[in-house]
Amino acid sequence: DAKTTQPDSMESTEGETVHLPCSHATISGNEYIYWYRQVPLQGPEYVTHGLQQNTTNSMAFLAIASDRKSSTLILPHVSLRDAAVYHCILRDQGGSAKLIFGEGTKLTVSS
Amino acid sequence: GPKVLQIPSHQIIDMGQMVTLNCDPVSNHLYFYWYKQILGQQMEFLVNFYNGKVMEKSKLFKDQFSVERPDGSYFTLKIQPTALEDSAVYFCASSLDWGGYEQYFGPGTRLTVL
Repeated sequence: DAKTTQPDSMESTEGETVHLPCSHATISGNEYIYWYRQVPLQGPEYVTHGLQQNTTNSMAFLAIASDRKSSTLILPHVSLRDAAVYHCILRDQGGSAKLIFGEGTKLTVSS
Repeated sequence: GPKVLQIPSHQIIDMGQMVTLNCDPVSNHLYFYWYKQILGQQMEFLVNFYNGKVMEKSKLFKDQFSVERPDGSYFTLKIQPTALEDSAVYFCASSLDWGGYEQYFGPGTRLTVL
């Protein structure tokens, strides 16, 4: 699986819209972009995923660059509960089912 | 959303003993996973399992490790014998299908080997 690069940390304030970037310059054509988040003492939680088109769900909006070499997870109106480590992971749908976690971005939300 | 349960939440054992970690996956899921996370470090994949067979495993999945899901009950990770470096939080996950489906994680079992 191709490698992703994320900032180590980001800070925000409640109510703000947060943009979490992820760089994946060597992504291959059949690799999907997945986002998971993890809070301390809990297992990772699925956030969203996409291939080429932007996607949206109740948790977040995923913006994927037209060349697919980067993506941004957009969290609207963050709350304290959104504080977590966010992981951007590439997966080949037809290949391995394992998730390869990196360091992720630690999002801090202040009141 | 769907819940994965893990029992126990914390287990303390002496080095060399056997331990079994139990996972109750989402009811209609068919694929099961174990991940290991040492405190302060990244989550690492151990193994995945389908239809009674190990599908993939990492180099962390040592010979002392085994997995099974007898008769649709708990999905278990057994370590026999345990070593000090096995101390970690072990997360179970399950998914409906291979590859393209999201994995749902349990809250983890913290294993402490003394």
